[in-house]
Amino acid sequence: DAEITQSPRHKITETGRQVTLACHQTWNHNNMFWYRQDLGHGLRLIHYSYGVQDTNKGEVSDGYSVSRSNTEDLPLTLESAASSQTSVYFCASSESSAGVAFFGQGTRLTVV
Amino acid sequence: DQQVKQNSPSLSVQEGRISILNCDYTNSMFDYFLWYKKYPAEGPTFLISISSIKDKNEDGRFTVFLNKSAKHLSLHIVPSQPGDSAVYFCAASALRDTGKLIFGQGTTLQVKP
Repeated sequence: DAEITQSPRHKITETGRQVTLACHQTWNHNNMFWYRQDLGHGLRLIHYSYGVQDTNKGEVSDGYSVSRSNTEDLPLTLESAASSQTSVYFCASSESSAGVAFFGQGTRLTVV
Repeated sequence: DQQVKQNSPSLSVQEGRISILNCDYTNSMFDYFLWYKKYPAEGPTFLISISSIKDKNEDGRFTVFLNKSAKHLSLHIVPSQPGDSAVYFCAASALRDTGKLIFGQGTTLQVKP
């Protein structure tokens, strides 16, 4: 079955370190997204991509970057981790024109 | 500026009764609306959606109503079951093709046996 997987599921890192969260989907979807979930804010869009070599900033993109070198993967990098980036991160993908995004199981990141 | 708002952080209902979850939006460009359900330690899962050309969409026990003039949508679950206890997120999209979703803050539903 097609799926979307995130790794690691849990990560503890130190302030200032570079961290990369992986996202891999086997649906062959063109659209991929990264969201963070925080209490009181719901899910907020960090970055998104509509295809290989395409990346776009979302509403909370500062301190994050993504790259899309193939259809299946959209890694999220925290250039210099900050305590404010402690959160649960969700990757999602969708088929163009379908409108429904499918989510991974999430990565809980703690920055100490 | 929160474009999608769920003003009730939590809701508690008795098993068998109706659950009504509400969502308001401010952006008149939104034309596609979705509800997602989330259990702890899992990713959100798609529940039901509605296009702006409709005012109602039904799928089993779940019905979504859209009032465009009021910029309001609601999710009705009837009858409610204990397994429905979860966080429910409302989401909206300005261009359905993009899949780019703006989410509300979520409402935690507890269904008591």
